[in-house]
Amino acid sequence: DTGVSQDPRHKITKRGQNVTFRCDPISEHNRLYWYRQTLGQGPEFLTYFQNEAQLEKSRLLSDRFSAERPKGSFSTLEIQRTEQGDSAMYLCASSSQGWDEKLFFGSGTQLSVL
Amino acid sequence: AQSVTQPDIHITVSEGASLELRCNYSYGATPYLFWYVQSPGQGLQLLLKYFSGDTLVQGIKGFEAEFKRSQSSFNLRKPSVHWSDAAEYFCAVGASTSYGKLTFGQGTILTVHP
Repeated sequence: DTGVSQDPRHKITKRGQNVTFRCDPISEHNRLYWYRQTLGQGPEFLTYFQNEAQLEKSRLLSDRFSAERPKGSFSTLEIQRTEQGDSAMYLCASSSQGWDEKLFFGSGTQLSVL
Repeated sequence: AQSVTQPDIHITVSEGASLELRCNYSYGATPYLFWYVQSPGQGLQLLLKYFSGDTLVQGIKGFEAEFKRSQSSFNLRKPSVHWSDAAEYFCAVGASTSYGKLTFGQGTILTVHP
């Protein structure tokens, strides 16, 4: 169990550019979640996958955001035409579905949009 | 809609003193409640959770929390704080459809004085 890995740890980009983040969940976990955390706030749910199916998306996830989880393994979160308001920590978490579901979080990707 | 309120943004205690972090929730059904801890540069770590049953739940690192339905509260306690407990603490409520889709409070930063 190597934990949830996120790459990169930090990303600095200019407004209008596209960025993509990657999350590698714990290998046996079938659920994968994306959260966004801004300074001084708790994480906010963005979306989640069960295997390769994206089951729910928050209204926070505008059309510029897209997430994928091909083959039910790693996941990517892409932000197109970044805006300064997208600056945040993007957190990934994984879990095994069940009554005792417990999230394991990665360390996050810190995005700064200049 | 579910929500979580952590009334204290920042709490300072002396090492060895007792600790109580407050959490109030709003949820229409039986809540699934969690406390997470986040240290700088680290992912969120689950301290404890309440799904049902005994309203006093024990967690890791000597923490416990008590679910009080009448007060819509789920306060976190520790009898004797250690310097290593300094971190940010988040209370969260989960949806019955997916325990991993969490609504977090804004967090309480804990500072421990020697």
